[in-house]
Parts: sequence; C-alpha cells; structure tokens
Amino acid sequence: QLVLTQSPSASASLGASVKLTCTLSSGHSSYAIAWHQQQPEKGPRYLMKLNSDGSHSKGDGIPDRFSGSSSGAERYLTISSLQSEDEADYYCQTWGTGIGVFGGGTKLTVL
Amino acid sequence: QVTLRESGPALVKPTQTLTLTCTFSGFSLSTSGMCVSWIRQPPGKALEWLALIDWDDDKYYSTSLKTRLTISKDTSKNQVVLTMTNMDPVDTATYYCARTYRAGGVIVDYWGQGTLVTVSS
Repeated sequence: QLVLTQSPSASASLGASVKLTCTLSSGHSSYAIAWHQQQPEKGPRYLMKLNSDGSHSKGDGIPDRFSGSSSGAERYLTISSLQSEDEADYYCQTWGTGIGVFGGGTKLTVL
Repeated sequence: QVTLRESGPALVKPTQTLTLTCTFSGFSLSTSGMCVSWIRQPPGKALEWLALIDWDDDKYYSTSLKTRLTISKDTSKNQVVLTMTNMDPVDTATYYCARTYRAGGVIVDYWGQGTLVTVSS
C-alpha cells in the first residue's frame, strides 16, 4: 500500500532556507509527486510536480524561491529566502493503484 | 485560465445524501489525460482524497468510502457531481474539487476554493 510520510512540523527563520521531506513507502521510489501549499484559512495551492529524477515543473506564478529535488524514495521541497507568507501547511500528493494519496502535511513556522 | 467552483448545501442532516457540483472552465474533461478529483478536509485535519473521474469516464474511489460515493460528469456542461450517502457528523469538512491530470503520474494542479459542509441535526 502506497503511503506518503511527512514530518508534522518544521520551522526556520525569516530569510533562511528550509527543506521539507515527503517519503514514499517501500516499492514506490519511482513515483512522481506533487507539492501543495495551504496558507492559514485558505484553500490549497499547487506548487509543483516533482519526478523521481528531481526534475520538476511549477504551477502558475510560483516564485523561484520554491524548488524540488529527489533522492531515492524521498521527495524534497526547498524554500529559500523565507518570507512570512510561506508560513503554511505543505502537503505532498501522488497516485497509488486506483487511489489518490496525500501525506499528512507539514506545518511550517517562519520564526 | 483554469477555474473550478464547488456548489452544494452548507448544512445536511445525519443520514441524508449530500450532492456537490463542481463547475469548471479553462479545460475540457473530454481531453485525453484530464480528470477531476474530489478531496475533503475536516476542520484542523489533513487533506483526504475521495474520488476521481477521468476523460474516459473511468471512476476511482477512496477505499474506505467507496460504498457511499458516486462521481459523474456532464462534459457538455463542464460539471462533475459527487454524491455521498448516509452523511454523518464526522463527514463535516471543506470539500474541494480539483483539476487532475494523468501524465507520468496523476497530479492535482488546480483547486477550487472549497465549500464547507456541516453535518448536524
């Protein structure tokens, strides 16, 4: 069964960088995922599709500060030059055998 | 420009059937690879995928909810409808529809604003 695992929380200082991780369960290391951002009291917004080779394609209007990378079963979202509006929940998403899957989300706090 | 908008009742009673409509623009659900998903989020909790319908009218459902869900599309109206039977207070959530595409994975790339559904007598 395909599972996406995310740390519940992360924090970093204003202006710094942070790397969030989404881990694919065993046997699924070749899967592409998507990253989504959900700011407080708002709906989710698509950030990017991230492939197993680290190539990624971003959604409309997503700043260059957001980038993705991959290593084995791990998919990363790096946010550089952190701004206050980056404080949000971040979800990864993929597709299993006939079923959509979301990670549990990481709550990012900008200090 | 891709947009999606959910509509439906804000309040339903326990045991009733919920019907939600997603009206979209900027893409066609008859285009190969195009899909629409329904996803929900209980207050303070994570996103939960519910159902997907694709351009070929294939339908996929959450394993835990499949007996209660039905998804359908009206391509001419650019609408996708989700019905959920036997509603319970635990189904209180914001329900989102989202454009989804199948190409090297199945990826949600546009979201509706969501509609809050409260289940209460």
